[in-house]
Order: sequence, then structure tokens, then C-alpha cells
Amino acid sequence: DAGVIQSPRHEVTEMGQEVTLRCKPISGHDYLFWYRQTMMRGLELLIYFNNNVPIDDSGMPEDRFSAKMPNASFSTLKIQPSEPRDSAVYFCASSRPLVSRYEQYFGPGTRLTVT
Amino acid sequence: KQEVTQIPAALSVPEGENLVLNCSFTDSAIYNLQWFRQDPGKGLTSLLLIQSSQREQTSGRLNASLDKSSGRSTLYIAASQPGDSATYLCAVREKGTYKYIFGTGTRLKVLA
Repeated sequence: DAGVIQSPRHEVTEMGQEVTLRCKPISGHDYLFWYRQTMMRGLELLIYFNNNVPIDDSGMPEDRFSAKMPNASFSTLKIQPSEPRDSAVYFCASSRPLVSRYEQYFGPGTRLTVT
Repeated sequence: KQEVTQIPAALSVPEGENLVLNCSFTDSAIYNLQWFRQDPGKGLTSLLLIQSSQREQTSGRLNASLDKSSGRSTLYIAASQPGDSATYLCAVREKGTYKYIFGTGTRLKVLA
């Protein structure tokens, strides 16, 4: 299996621009998680989906952030408009808790820099 | 609110030493606890998962223990190697959800 795939790996954008991060979970996994990692706050859960439905979005920092999962093999995290404080590494993870040995399989991350 | 803390924040040891990394959590109502490894610029790799009903799990040179009542877990690494150098994170899954709360991490450097 290719693992969790994220794109782009690096994104540099100017303040005020829209940013879209993409994630393809492992085939057959029914949970998908979006995390943000910064030096100051560590790794924070933003939102997670089960069977394409958002279950808990309490970690989404502001209305500028939105996430969608239109089908089982694709999810997006959008920031509009972006701000310098959004600079971080964004990780996507997927799982199939009743079957998988481990519950969280992480992608390589997208490093976002907002200037 | 669940808080997860890891001590020490950084550790540097000579090759061959046995070492212990600590993880503590404030709410014992957890479903499981997982240890991860993160290499610089990479994602997280799962190492060990301990269910709340278990006391420990072992994989090769790694052994993780869980004491839910005291809110503590330890990761024991035997005969450390330079390839073990990485950041180690623990995460607890809160009961009744699939929400994971991550610790602050321990940055380990094993010197050759």
C-alpha cells in the first residue's frame, strides 16, 4: 500500500491567499484526521471524519479553516484567507480501528509558509 | 481537559545505553495510548499501542508500559543505537471518541 498521500509537500503563499491541502487516505480506512504541528503548540487535532462525515471539528481554529471529504479516497483542508500564524506542518492520518494493528497512519505532511 | 506531558523534552545518550522516556496524562479515562516516532521533516510512525486494559507491550528493543490509575506511561529502549535518534511522542485516545491528544515529545539523540 502507498500509505497516506498528501499534496503539496511544501506550500509558500502570501497572506490573504487561499490555500488548499489535499489528502488521500489508505484504501479501506474509514477514519481520517487532520492535524497541525507547530513548535509552540505541538501536534493538535483539527478535525476528524468517519465514513466521510465530520465527527469533531472542535479543533478547527477559526472560520477561515474548512475541511471536506467528498468521498472515501479524498479530503481537503482549506484556509481562506491565510495568515502568517497559519504557518505550520499539516498532517493527515487515516485509520481503520477495528482491523488495523495501529490506529493512526500518518502522511508525510505539508509544510505551509505564509508570508 | 486532557493534558499530556512528556519528560524529558530532550535527551542525549551514548550508544548502547538503556533509556526510559516518560509520558503523563491528567485524565485516566482513556481508551488506549500510542507511542510514535517522528524523524526530522517526516510524518509520524506508530511504534506501540497499549489498550487501557493492558499493562505493557513489547516490540523488539522497545517496551511500553501503562499505569492508567496514576496517569503514566513509559517507553523503554534497550541498547540504544544512533538510528534511534528521533522525536518520540505519546498520544492518548479519549474514551468514547476517536480523538487523540498528543504529548509535547522527547527529542532523543544517540551518540555513536
